[in-house]
Amino acid sequence: AIVLNQSPSSIIASQGEKVTITCRASSSISSNYLHWYQQKPGAFPKLVIYSTSYRASGVPSRFSGSGSGTSYSFTISRVEAEDVATYYCQQGSSNPWTFGGGTKLELK
Amino acid sequence: QVTLKESGPGILQPSQTLSLTCTFSGFSLSTYGMGVGWIRQPSGKGLEWLANIWWDDDKYYNPSLKNRLTISKDTSNNQAFLKITNVDTADTATYYCARVSWELPFDYWGQGVMVTVSS
Repeated sequence: AIVLNQSPSSIIASQGEKVTITCRASSSISSNYLHWYQQKPGAFPKLVIYSTSYRASGVPSRFSGSGSGTSYSFTISRVEAEDVATYYCQQGSSNPWTFGGGTKLELK
Repeated sequence: QVTLKESGPGILQPSQTLSLTCTFSGFSLSTYGMGVGWIRQPSGKGLEWLANIWWDDDKYYNPSLKNRLTISKDTSNNQAFLKITNVDTADTATYYCARVSWELPFDYWGQGVMVTVSS
């Protein structure tokens, strides 16, 4: 199974700050199959970025993604209060599909 | 409008079989390229993919659960099902179903159903 290592596991940021989360895969994966989800406290996950860099419907432009091979990143250009959540990367390149361990974003 | 809703027993005892139902609307599992997946999340922990079923009845399972999983669908009634045999306390989690397709990963999710395994 492809293991996805997310870092950091938690971030404390100020409103307006730029934050970046890294997702490193144990084997190379196609960028078409690396995705990012946002899970707010008490809620179900929501697709934010699919295929490395495409924003899902209705997702603000401050969210972006990039990467290839085994290294991917997720960026919020200017953090807002509503972005407090746990973020997960996920690969669908090979079975079993796997998720990263999550990155919890909190506001300072 | 796409919606999904999970239902399950709430609580069951170790060694029993967990049966979950995902009832959805706004799409069809008879549509080319469409699928439904199951994902679970123990309280305070991360997400674990369990299984996917596709429009052509192709099925994929997480091998970490070995042969305990069975996924199926009822296209006519817009439902997908997941059975987990021989449950134990480690299966206590919130279980989600989500729509998946060739074009997009899990783009719509249900609210989740909490399942507790306890004697």
